[in-house]
Amino acid sequence: VHLVESGGGLVQPGGSLRLSCAASGFTFSTYAMTWVRQAPGKGLEWVSSISGSGGSTYYADSVKGRFTISRDNSKNTLFLQMNSLRAEDTAVYYCATFAAYSWMRAFDSWGQGALVTVSS
Amino acid sequence: DIQLTQSPSFLSASVGDRVTITCRASQGISSYLAWYQQKPGKAPKLLIYSASSLRSGVPSRFSGSGSGSEFTLTISSLQPEDFATYYCQQLDDYPLTFGPGTKLDIK
Repeated sequence: VHLVESGGGLVQPGGSLRLSCAASGFTFSTYAMTWVRQAPGKGLEWVSSISGSGGSTYYADSVKGRFTISRDNSKNTLFLQMNSLRAEDTAVYYCATFAAYSWMRAFDSWGQGALVTVSS
Repeated sequence: DIQLTQSPSFLSASVGDRVTITCRASQGISSYLAWYQQKPGKAPKLLIYSASSLRSGVPSRFSGSGSGSEFTLTISSLQPEDFATYYCQQLDDYPLTFGPGTKLDIK
């Protein structure tokens, strides 16, 4: 399993950014996926998850209505569209595979992370 | 929302020590608890899922136990590469939540 995030960078408050996560080494369309972020010096915060088909999505209250998770199974890519960004969204954003079965639930493989900085 | 607490927040230990980290949930989460290890500047790594199942490739000195609302992660004999921050996570219900972390450093 290999996950590579891209699209991070510096953006002004109120701006937008789209993160991508290129996946390889597994059958992407059969796996739920998730985004987790980590503000500088802080702990892990779950952001959003999406089912393998893309038909079900879930969001943390802190990003609901501003962020949109999506996926393109033909291109093995996960996305996170981030709008109306705030200073408190500054963090390293990780994509991860989400094993979501009755016998196993965990974020089992992680990308290296993409830094998003929201500042004027 | 389900809240997770971890104790201790910080732990100093020596190579060869046995250490235990506790994670408590604000309500029952069955066995839908995972443990992760994170080293500075690196992505988290899954150690334990379903409270007590060791992820393939993870050394057997790591073990997890518990169900309901109280869980533990035990490292039976600390190795130098184990000094890191450890997080628990509940996957019973959305929003999925992580504990605040336990930083394990060298005494």
